Amino acid sequence: DTAVSQTPKYLVTQMGNDKSIKCEQNLGHDTMYWYKQDSKKFLKIMFSYNNKELIINETVPNRFSPKSPDKAHLNLHINSLELGDSAVYFCASSPGLTVDQPQHFGDGTRLSIL
Amino acid sequence: SQQGEEDPQALSIQEGENATMNCSYKTSINNLQWYRQNSGRGLVHLILIRSNEREKHSGRLRVTLDTSKKSSSLLITASRAADTASYFCATGLMNRDDKIIFGKGTRLHILP
Repeated sequence: DTAVSQTPKYLVTQMGNDKSIKCEQNLGHDTMYWYKQDSKKFLKIMFSYNNKELIINETVPNRFSPKSPDKAHLNLHINSLELGDSAVYFCASSPGLTVDQPQHFGDGTRLSIL
Repeated sequence: SQQGEEDPQALSIQEGENATMNCSYKTSINNLQWYRQNSGRGLVHLILIRSNEREKHSGRLRVTLDTSKKSSSLLITASRAADTASYFCATGLMNRDDKIIFGKGTRLHILP
């Protein structure tokens, strides 16, 4: 069983569209994250949630709206997609909020904006 | 500015040789982690070293931490083709315990 799974794996869409990415973890973890990895492989945190509560919102445009219906799920909705949103988006989870615990990553969603 | 910077950016070695990657950071840390990313996959946690530790081993991996120089190294001994991947360090900051900051990674290529 995949520990952290994201869907879809690939997303190709036009500029201006709205799209969602879903993430689920079956590890029983309390904390989940969204990261953005650009074309140079730089990985930057976007959001973190702990037990459905927003903890980190790392100066992300408000076109990005995360939603955590329960602690096993963290979805990401993006409005009015722009060319600069093209990247790989990773979901991750960890047992708790403190940073001395390993994070478990999904395999990413590659978003391409035409 | 970047907290963690890996060096070198890319490394190619023959199978069986040892691979060493370095990570330097700017501000004081609680801990430092190393992750591996295979092409098209998510990151996989390798090892965590705390600020009061100097060295840690896990199988063929050896990590050192020098807080006075604000640097860490990851050594992979007896490299294998399956070690081909990107390797990232990630720092947990002393004054911020809710997130880790990733470096840009070292791309390691093991030649057969």
